[in-house]
Amino acid sequence: DIVMTQSPDSLAVSLGERATINCKSSQSILFGSDNKNYLAWYQQKPGQPPKLLIYWASIRESGVPDRISGSGSGTDFTLTISSLQAEDVAVYYCQQYYGGLLTFGGGTKVEIK
Amino acid sequence: QITLRESGPTLVKPTQTLTLTCTFSGFSLNTRDVHVGWVRQPPGKALESLALMFGDGDKRRSPPLQSRLTITKDTSKNQVVLTLNNMDPADTATYYCAHRQRLPGSGWFPFDSWGQGILVTVSS
Repeated sequence: DIVMTQSPDSLAVSLGERATINCKSSQSILFGSDNKNYLAWYQQKPGQPPKLLIYWASIRESGVPDRISGSGSGTDFTLTISSLQAEDVAVYYCQQYYGGLLTFGGGTKVEIK
Repeated sequence: QITLRESGPTLVKPTQTLTLTCTFSGFSLNTRDVHVGWVRQPPGKALESLALMFGDGDKRRSPPLQSRLTITKDTSKNQVVLTLNNMDPADTATYYCAHRQRLPGSGWFPFDSWGQGILVTVSS
């Protein structure tokens, strides 16, 4: 199965500042036939299931604020929160859905500095 | 509207077999374009994919757990059942089921709907 590696494990950012999370896959998850990267980002708050934020590496799910964005291609991806708000405190996971089981990164905990 | 709900025991003893049921609504698991997956999360730890059931009956299982894990579906009942035998305290986790689909002309989506999860504790 494809291994997903996230960094950092945690980060503390001041309100209104930028938060950046990185995710690397052990092989390319760019599907040649449709030129889409099969990479998703989820947000998880305590006691709740994960919530889908981004799919195909950069497409926001309906209702996700535009301060949250995804980028990258091939094996290297980034989730950016451009101006951190209190409600963004959570753990964020990347996930590949290119093949086999849909494997997750180890998670990044985002806190307020 | 798609909904999923996990049910089963919340406490099992070591060496026992865990059987969890995912009951869903809002879709049918009868084509290759729909999957239901199981994911677990030990307390304070990351998400781990366990298994994936395809609508046509095909399936994928986590290699480290393959010998202990069975996944089946009952299309008429809108259920997917996960069985994990020889339970160990290390299997203590919240177990989630989730839905994904492929839309014509769009390709596959990731898990877009999740159940609330069920916390299973393994302890004597």
